[in-house]
Amino acid sequence: NAGVTQTPKFQVLKTGQSMTLQCAQDMNHEYMSWYRQDPGMGLRLIHYSVGAGITDQGEVPNGYNVSRSTTEDFPLRLLSAAPSQTSVYFCASSRGKTIYNEQFFGPGTRLTVL
Amino acid sequence: GQQLNQSPQSMFIQEGEDVSMNCTSSSIFNTWLWYKQDPGEGPVLLIALYKAGELTSNGRLTAQFGITRKDSFLNISASIPSDVGIYFCAGQVSDYKLSFGAGTTVTVRA
Repeated sequence: NAGVTQTPKFQVLKTGQSMTLQCAQDMNHEYMSWYRQDPGMGLRLIHYSVGAGITDQGEVPNGYNVSRSTTEDFPLRLLSAAPSQTSVYFCASSRGKTIYNEQFFGPGTRLTVL
Repeated sequence: GQQLNQSPQSMFIQEGEDVSMNCTSSSIFNTWLWYKQDPGEGPVLLIALYKAGELTSNGRLTAQFGITRKDSFLNISASIPSDVGIYFCAGQVSDYKLSFGAGTTVTVRA
């Protein structure tokens, strides 16, 4: 198993550009989520999905879109990048409810918006 | 989101030392989790706590779920160089949501 994979590892964007951060897992996990990590702050939940076709907002969803057309993939779209979106982005997955199931994190995507 | 206060913000360890860090919240949590993040990697779960007063060990790591359900601590005994990294506490907000502390950065003392 590759676990949770994320691409790209690094990305630089200009303000206003759009892009998609990719996340895939091969563990047949129902639950997937996206977090951002900023210096001096804990991970903050952006969006999450409890299964294919079902997504919901987390703590900081503005400026981001997600979709979940398959169990394996959960891409995060930045519609019009802003410098405030400079961050490290982590995707995570778990078998079910995170209250009972360990979340496995990907290696992260480091995004810089100029 | 709910505020978790994690302290200390950073610490230096010397090989062989015991170190301790803690996490407090103004809200009650039903589950506390401790993660470690190595440079360039995602967080990895170390210990999960499900009951107030629970004391759980994982090798040289020991964590406790505070009796008030508003705090937790993590101890590392007999530190080794590979213990460096960032340690995060997290409280379970709902079935699918966690609230994370800002992390404690552990560095080896020169």
